[in-house]
Amino acid sequence: SYELTQPLSVSVALGQTARITCGGNNIGSKNVHWYQQKPGQAPVLVIYRDSNRPSGIPERFSGSNSGNTATLTISRAQAGDEADYYCQVWDSSTYVFGTGTKVTVL
Amino acid sequence: QVQLQESGPGLVKPSETLSLTCTVSGGSISSYYWSWIRQPPGKGLEWIGYIYYSGSTNYNPSLKSRVTISVDTSKNQFSLKLSSVTAADTAVYYCARDSGTIRGTAAPRGWFDPWGQGTLVTVSS
Repeated sequence: SYELTQPLSVSVALGQTARITCGGNNIGSKNVHWYQQKPGQAPVLVIYRDSNRPSGIPERFSGSNSGNTATLTISRAQAGDEADYYCQVWDSSTYVFGTGTKVTVL
Repeated sequence: QVQLQESGPGLVKPSETLSLTCTVSGGSISSYYWSWIRQPPGKGLEWIGYIYYSGSTNYNPSLKSRVTISVDTSKNQFSLKLSSVTAADTAVYYCARDSGTIRGTAAPRGWFDPWGQGTLVTVSS
């Protein structure tokens, strides 16, 4: 089965840029989606199909995908961006989630 | 705006069957893929399985032997049954909708939007 690997945690200073990686075999050939989950809440879609933002998601959130790594970038990080982030792909008629990354804003 | 709401017992005994229902409001259950996803306390997300409105299903291989997902289009609901539960099945269970289908096909687009708020199910005697 397909596996997606994320760093356990990422720290970012207020106002700086956070980059969260999602590693998978030839992930660049797949569409990658990203979710933000705050404590006690359901996940919320922040990026779909590698780099597209749903309505209501700030432009500060962006995504890229190439080779064996997809990346979610949070620019000008705010305290409200502190959350867990999960990547996800559709593979072999199943949905696969990454291991999740906790983002801390310092 | 489509909303999803999970319902069912919050406590299930070991070896019994966990049963949950997701009610869809603000839109039709037709023409979409509907999934169950769970999250053990303090852990990551695990996809359990999906059902298409027509009734076709697919399950996570790791849970396939214990999972059944069904749909009731007349009630705009779909349901999850997980048999022979153990403490390892304690989790928040979410229902979610795939965003749609790829134009001209019946294949899912592959991402979830929206999600239900989730319901905690504890397996304990």
